[in-house]
Amino acid sequence: DGGITQSPKYLFRKEGQNVTLSCEQNLNHDAMYWYRQDPGQGLRLIYYSQIVNDFQKGDIAEGYSVSREKKESFPLTVTSAQKNPTAFYLCASSSGGNLYGYTFGSGTRLTVV
Amino acid sequence: AQKITQTQPGMFVQEKEAVTLDCTYDTSDPSYGLFWYKQPSSGEMIFLIYQGSYDQQNATEGRYSLNFQKARKSANLVISASQLGDSAMYFCAIPSNYQLIWGAGTKLIIKP
Repeated sequence: DGGITQSPKYLFRKEGQNVTLSCEQNLNHDAMYWYRQDPGQGLRLIYYSQIVNDFQKGDIAEGYSVSREKKESFPLTVTSAQKNPTAFYLCASSSGGNLYGYTFGSGTRLTVV
Repeated sequence: AQKITQTQPGMFVQEKEAVTLDCTYDTSDPSYGLFWYKQPSSGEMIFLIYQGSYDQQNATEGRYSLNFQKARKSANLVISASQLGDSAMYFCAIPSNYQLIWGAGTKLIIKP
């Protein structure tokens, strides 16, 4: 079955460390997205990519970095510059841009310890 | 800029009753769509239903339907005959540029 796989499901980071969240899709979707979710809030866009080797900053890109070397993969790195990284991170993809909605992964919960 | 407002932080509903989740939006686009997603405690976002701004009829998908009132800029989700498995967070979203803009969500708890 096609879908989006995010790993790990839970991730713990020490202060000052970079961590990378994995997102892989086998839906043949061109566009991929990373969202951050905090308690009691809706999703906020971190980065998005509409095509391989190209990506754009979203509303809260500071302290994060991404790459899109393959159509199937869109990893997110949370750098030490991100001052409040504890959150739930969701990866999504779409075939025709945002007008057709997204397919989401199951998310990664990142906690700073 | 597009904006979504969900005014109900939480709701308790008795099993088998119908429930309406509110969503109002603000957009300058003449053509747009409204999405509803369900997020159970596992965290995954599940697409429920979509309403296009030019659709003549309210969207329906099984027990889910939209009460779309374009003039009032509202797109309320109606769940008929609620079930215990409907307990979850529910989000309304609208496209803006290359992303979806999300409301803060409504936590729905179905009581047995």
